[in-house]
Amino acid sequence: SAVISQKPSRDICQRGTSLTIQCQVDSQVTMMFWYRQQPGQSLTLIATANQGSEATYESGFVIDKFPISRPNLTFSTLTVSNMSPEDSSIYLCSVNDGSSYEQYFGPGTRLTVT
Amino acid sequence: ELKVEQNPLFLSMQEGKNYTIYCNYSTTSDRLYWYRQDPGKSLESLFVLLSNGAVKQEGRLMASLDTKARLSTLHITAAVHDLSATYFCAVANTGNQFYFGTGTSLTVIP
Repeated sequence: SAVISQKPSRDICQRGTSLTIQCQVDSQVTMMFWYRQQPGQSLTLIATANQGSEATYESGFVIDKFPISRPNLTFSTLTVSNMSPEDSSIYLCSVNDGSSYEQYFGPGTRLTVT
Repeated sequence: ELKVEQNPLFLSMQEGKNYTIYCNYSTTSDRLYWYRQDPGKSLESLFVLLSNGAVKQEGRLMASLDTKARLSTLHITAAVHDLSATYFCAVANTGNQFYFGTGTSLTVIP
């Protein structure tokens, strides 16, 4: 299994600022995934982050808006840049531990942009 | 892009009744997941279905997978209030990228 922690758990930010969300896993994983859950909505994949390479973004998400770092096999960050109220969401990171088909999700970061 | 449809979006059911949530997906996949989400919480894994005809049961919940029809069902038997939550199905591609259904908000009424 994999245990995932995220920081911060929640934040309230002003329009035009940026926030970096951290994701820490208790074991080494090849791929980490970032998801967004807008209020009352389902989860949407933002990007896939492999260690040592550029993140791969899904349609509708761009690196300038959501830069991602993946410096090692247990850690990743997602930055939400130049925020607007439409960015108010829960952001979750997710991993597969590689030994099973289980996918694990972090507790999420609840972001409110005012 | 893999698309996942889930219905119903909202489900209000009386305690003791049975009901089924449906999950259809658009392209071939051999992994189908069901998650539960309580308000303000992250996702709790319920079932992982890996092959055609797979059926898994846990308590009052039973999930099945028909890969030929690209359909999964989550059946609720004799609902109780504790089952009130939002339920998501998700389909994974070979790269472990997950595509989620719209979710079903279940309310069990005494």
